[in-house]
Amino acid sequence: DTGVSQDPRHKITKRGQNVTFRCDPISEHNRLYWYRQTLGQGPEFLTYFQNEAQLEKSRLLSDRFSAERPKGSFSTLEIQRTEQGDSAMYLCASSPFSGANVLTFGAGSRLTVL
Amino acid sequence: ILNVEQSPQSLHVQEGDSTNFTCSFPSSNFYALHWYRWETAKSPEALFVMTLNGDEKKKGRISATLNTKEGYSYLYIKGSQPEDSATYLCAFTAGANNLFFGTGTRLTVIP
Repeated sequence: DTGVSQDPRHKITKRGQNVTFRCDPISEHNRLYWYRQTLGQGPEFLTYFQNEAQLEKSRLLSDRFSAERPKGSFSTLEIQRTEQGDSAMYLCASSPFSGANVLTFGAGSRLTVL
Repeated sequence: ILNVEQSPQSLHVQEGDSTNFTCSFPSSNFYALHWYRWETAKSPEALFVMTLNGDEKKKGRISATLNTKEGYSYLYIKGSQPEDSATYLCAFTAGANNLFFGTGTRLTVIP
């Protein structure tokens, strides 16, 4: 297992376009998290899954954001009608949901909305 | 949203100096406190997880302490090296669910 993979690493898009990010977690991890990080801030929680169930979604997340984890393995995060304020690093992390729930992060997907 | 605060925001130290940072978190409903190191162009990496008041963890030159009653944790680096340059994040969890991160302390170690 090579850890948590995210794709693409970088995405530049025009305002109003839709973008999708993919995350492949560590295979034996049943928890998967999405965070967003902007300059000067720490990772901001977006949503998390336990297996295929989306258990929590941040109230900060607008209706333009949707995430799925259809078979409890990889996950996608889609942003519709992107806005310049969506420019950020989107981080995915997974955990085994045991003990203290230590997260293993991917390298992130950096989104730039022009 | 739970308020997790870290100080200082950034720090420059000379190689060989020892340093420490602070993480403040809500003292109610505490479950665990995490420390992560985030080097530029890499993924955040877990350093420590602490769950009990008075916990102390150590990994090489880096150690951390936890006070859940007053809601703070300290991270110490002894004899800083250039490879310690990174952003150090703490994260609080009120249950075995979501982690709430602070804004981080950016450490630069000057050779």
